[in-house]
Amino acid sequence: EAGVTQSPTHLIKTRGQQATLRCSPISGHTSVYWYQQALGLGLQFLLWYDEGEERNRGNFPPRFSGRQFPNYSSELNVNALELEDSALYLCASRPLGSYEQYFGPGTRLTVT
Amino acid sequence: QKEVEQDPGPLSVPEGAIVSLNCTYSNSAFQYFMWYRQYSRKGPELLMYTYSSGNKEDGRFTAQVDKSSKYISLFIRDSQPSDSATYLCATGIQGAQKLVFGQGTRLTINP
Repeated sequence: EAGVTQSPTHLIKTRGQQATLRCSPISGHTSVYWYQQALGLGLQFLLWYDEGEERNRGNFPPRFSGRQFPNYSSELNVNALELEDSALYLCASRPLGSYEQYFGPGTRLTVT
Repeated sequence: QKEVEQDPGPLSVPEGAIVSLNCTYSNSAFQYFMWYRQYSRKGPELLMYTYSSGNKEDGRFTAQVDKSSKYISLFIRDSQPSDSATYLCATGIQGAQKLVFGQGTRLTINP
């Protein structure tokens, strides 16, 4: 069974630009989660999508947004990039009826 | 105060030792508990998942939850150099769905 996949692996952007990160969940998983892992801050919850709807949001500004497509894949958009947005962005998916979350390899975003 | 506290280490032990990793949490509403292993520059890998107080064993790994003390542990028996990684505890509340993570403990097993 294929795991959670994320693209791109690395992304380098300039401050003020926009970044788009993509995630494909494990087949059959309908919930997708986004987390930020910044140096020294640990893993922080960003967003939860289920059945195409945003269900919960972490303590991040509105310039962090996303969506979930009919095939359950998801996109995270970060607008007006700031230097402190540099981090590993992790996507996770969850099977129906369980709380276990399975993570992808992440996208490393560097803002210069 | 962080919702989940975890000693960041680093922790260094000889091969074959028993390793004990621990977390404490402050919110009594947390209902389920997980341990993840994360190798450098990789995504976290789910190791153990428990929903109640008590022990759960899987091979060389044992997860322990004490809800009365708000304390969770992961024990690794017969530790191997390949166990060298960062170990993250995580917990969550039914309905909220998000996981709240500890800082992670960096573990090195020396051959």
